[in-house]
Amino acid sequence: GESVGLHLPTLSVQEGDNSIINCAYSNSASDYFIWYKQESGKGPQFIIDIRSNMDKRQGQRVTVLLNKTVKHLSLQIAATQPGDSAVYFCAEKGGTYKYIFGTGTRLKVLA
Amino acid sequence: DAGITQSPRHKVTETGTPVTLRCHQTENHRYMYWYRQDPGHGLRLIHYSYGVKDTDKGEVSDGYSVSRSKTEDFLLTLESATSSQTSVYFCAISERGGGPTTGELFFGEGSRLTVL
Repeated sequence: GESVGLHLPTLSVQEGDNSIINCAYSNSASDYFIWYKQESGKGPQFIIDIRSNMDKRQGQRVTVLLNKTVKHLSLQIAATQPGDSAVYFCAEKGGTYKYIFGTGTRLKVLA
Repeated sequence: DAGITQSPRHKVTETGTPVTLRCHQTENHRYMYWYRQDPGHGLRLIHYSYGVKDTDKGEVSDGYSVSRSKTEDFLLTLESATSSQTSVYFCAISERGGGPTTGELFFGEGSRLTVL
């Protein structure tokens, strides 16, 4: 069935280092992907998105890479800061309304 | 931040009582969604709406009903709450009305429901 998964449930990185969070998807028809950040007690916050006609998209300190060949999505955070500590999850959209979400990776930033 | 307000933010109720959660948006988005979030699960779709009075079921719709009488409001009702409905509920919106299709999905801050 359709699934969006993450390779690691918890990722610990040193402050100032780069973070890479991965996501695998199984629906080859999905054409739009989103990364979210969710802090404790808050709603998911839209970080960055990418369409299937792109391989890479950059934002402020974040980059999303899409590899359609292996159905893989990654979020790179440059110079990770304590405020980046949160759960990150990806979502895929393959139709008009349907979004599929992963369970998330917890990012811990070590001082 | 997208203008999405959920109420109540926290509620404790007893099994068998009715509960209504409200989502209010100020963005004129066409689509509105209700999701639940539970440990070990990704966000799961309960119901969604694609316009006023137009709603449809999601993957975990049993025990829930919705209504949308105005573009800006989307109500989720638990007719008779059960302990399995203890969860955090999120409202989300997408597709600005009359605007270009973007796909962006924005969430509210959540409503934490505890059913005793």
